[in-house]
Amino acid sequence: SQTIHQWPATLVQPVGSPLSLECTVEGTSNPNLYWYRQAAGRGLQLLFYSVGIGQISSEVPQNLSASRPQDRQFILSSKKLLLSDSGFYLCAWGRGLGIGEQFFGPGTRLTVL
Amino acid sequence: EDKVVQSPLSLVVHEGDTVTLNCSYEVTNFRSLLWYKQEKKAPTFLFMLTSSGIEKKSGRLSSILDKKELFSILNITATQTGDSAVYLCAVEPGRGADGLTFGKGTHLIIQP
Repeated sequence: SQTIHQWPATLVQPVGSPLSLECTVEGTSNPNLYWYRQAAGRGLQLLFYSVGIGQISSEVPQNLSASRPQDRQFILSSKKLLLSDSGFYLCAWGRGLGIGEQFFGPGTRLTVL
Repeated sequence: EDKVVQSPLSLVVHEGDTVTLNCSYEVTNFRSLLWYKQEKKAPTFLFMLTSSGIEKKSGRLSSILDKKELFSILNITATQTGDSAVYLCAVEPGRGADGLTFGKGTHLIIQP
């Protein structure tokens, strides 16, 4: 069966510090991978998606970047965090076009102070 | 721009009651609508709907889609305290692997 891991679970970082969140998927190959952010009072917002190694698409302009160095690894990064980057970050994987259903990781709660 | 609106945003009912959660959407080239339940962390998948008028059912939960009026409802009968969660509605556009567009969710609280 497929599983998706994220770490760390919780992170408190000062403004201006770098960020690296990691997501890995097991039990499937060539998944579509997604990063979402859930801020207080808002729905899940898609940040990035990837259909393959090295292929990243960004949905909204922001202070963050994503990379996919391996088939089942997805990394979310920032060089300098802003207060507005605080939120709950969720990684998800899906099987592809028209299949819709996505499976979410346990999430990382990021607080920027 | 794709848009998903859920109502109500918050709902408090007593155990045993029946609830109906609403989701309306505007999306380019609709492909599917999905419902998720989010308790403390990761949303868990409930239903995916692609065709109008066909009810999907799982135990006490059921959902139906109206593609003409662009909305879906999620029904929960004989609610239990374990049903307390945020229920998220999302739509999948028919344009590549763009990911899902989510509503803000309905925060459902079931009181014993």
